[in-house]
Amino acid sequence: ELKVEQNPLFLSMQEGKNYTIYCNYSTTSDRLYWYRQDPGKSLESLFVLLSNGAVKQEGRLMASLDTKARLSTLHITAAVHDLSATYFCAVEGGHTNAGKSTFGDGTTLTVKP
Amino acid sequence: DTGVSQDPRHKITKRGQNVTFRCDPISEHNRLYWYRQTLGQGPEFLTYFQNEAQLEKSRLLSDRFSAERPKGSFSTLEIQRTEQGDSAMYLCASSKGGPRGTDTQYFGPGTRLTVL
Repeated sequence: ELKVEQNPLFLSMQEGKNYTIYCNYSTTSDRLYWYRQDPGKSLESLFVLLSNGAVKQEGRLMASLDTKARLSTLHITAAVHDLSATYFCAVEGGHTNAGKSTFGDGTTLTVKP
Repeated sequence: DTGVSQDPRHKITKRGQNVTFRCDPISEHNRLYWYRQTLGQGPEFLTYFQNEAQLEKSRLLSDRFSAERPKGSFSTLEIQRTEQGDSAMYLCASSKGGPRGTDTQYFGPGTRLTVL
């Protein structure tokens, strides 16, 4: 059974600082996703990572994937208050489980001035 | 393109009652997914459809849960004989599908179910 672990679960940052959120998963996967969720809202897709070494960047967020280590990171550069949200990684299983995503428990980020 | 819509947005019911939720995916998206999310947790996969075919169903889904997607368009999720443990946010998502594309899932606003 595919397991996805995120850490930390809670993160409080000062504006302007950098930090990294980690996502570990237990079995081979085809795809890894990062989502953002604001309180009381639904999920917004941030990144889709398909291959080993994939790196994607959007604004102050950069995601990378190491399939050999079964690890993805979401790096936050020079955090701003608007980045405060809960971030989830989700891993889609192998061919036999295509379409089934397993989510981590999320990292709740609070950016303080 | 109006995004994924779900109806109702909120549902309060008494234990033992049946409830049905509806999801309208983005048009031309052939994949549709249902998830359940409880407070402080990540979404939990329930089931997914490729067009009208239900291709995967979580083992966590008891016989009280059923989902349909007639004609490969909208989908319904029914919960029979609701229990307090069914209280959660039920999320629907859709994607274009395809073998090796990015297949981004677009989520609806969710239906919040409260079972009294």
